[in-house]
Amino acid sequence: KNQVEQSPQSLIILEGKNCTLQCNYTVSPFSNLRWYKQDTGRGPVSLTIMTFSENTKSNGRYTATLDADTKQSSLHITASQLSDSASYICVVRDTGTASKLTFGTGTRLQVTL
Amino acid sequence: KAGVTQTPRYLIKTRGQQVTLSCSPISGHRSVSWYQQTPGQGLQFLFEYFSETQRNKGNFPGRFSGRQFSNSRSEMNVSTLELGDSALYLCASRSQGENTEAFFGQGTRLTVV
Repeated sequence: KNQVEQSPQSLIILEGKNCTLQCNYTVSPFSNLRWYKQDTGRGPVSLTIMTFSENTKSNGRYTATLDADTKQSSLHITASQLSDSASYICVVRDTGTASKLTFGTGTRLQVTL
Repeated sequence: KAGVTQTPRYLIKTRGQQVTLSCSPISGHRSVSWYQQTPGQGLQFLFEYFSETQRNKGNFPGRFSGRQFSNSRSEMNVSTLELGDSALYLCASRSQGENTEAFFGQGTRLTVV
C-alpha cells in the first residue's frame, strides 16, 4: 500500500530560526514528489515539485531535497517568518495514466516571536 | 487567470440529507480531482475526472459520487450524510501530464449535524 509519512507532526520555532521537515514514502512506481503549504482554512499551495532525477530544488527560503534510493525527502525553511506558520504537506504521485496522489498527514509549523 | 473556484465555501446539513458541491477548474485544465480533508486523516483522494470520464477512484463508499461536464466543471455529491462526513472538501485542477502542478481551490467546509 502506498504511504507517505511526515515528521514531526507539529513544530514550534522562533522567528528567524531554521527548521527541517521530513517525509518518508513507500509509493511505487514513483513519479514525483511535491511539498505543499496550507494555511488554515485555505487550499494547499505548491512550493516545489521534484522528479526522480532531482536531488535539490529551492523556492526562495524553501529548499527541498530528495533521496530516491532511501525514499526520503526534506523541506528546509531558512530564516523563518511568522507567515510561514502553516501546515506543510508532502505529496507523492505514482506513474501511469491512472496515477494517484498519496498525501502525508502534514507537519503543523508555528513560528512565534 | 482565475484560480480554482469552489462553491459554496461553507455548508451545514443534517444527517440523512444529501449535498452537492461544485468546482470550476482553471481555464484549460481538463483534470479535476476531489479530496476530503479531516484533522485525523489528512487529505484523502476521492476521485479524478478527465474529459468527463472518471479516471481514478479512492476508497470511499458509493454514497460519494461525482461527475464532470463538457466545460470541465465538476460536481461532487454525497448522499445520506453521516456525521463523519464533516470535513473540508478540496478540488484541484491540472493540465495534462504527470508532472503538472495541481492547483487547489479554497475548499468547501461541510458540517453535518
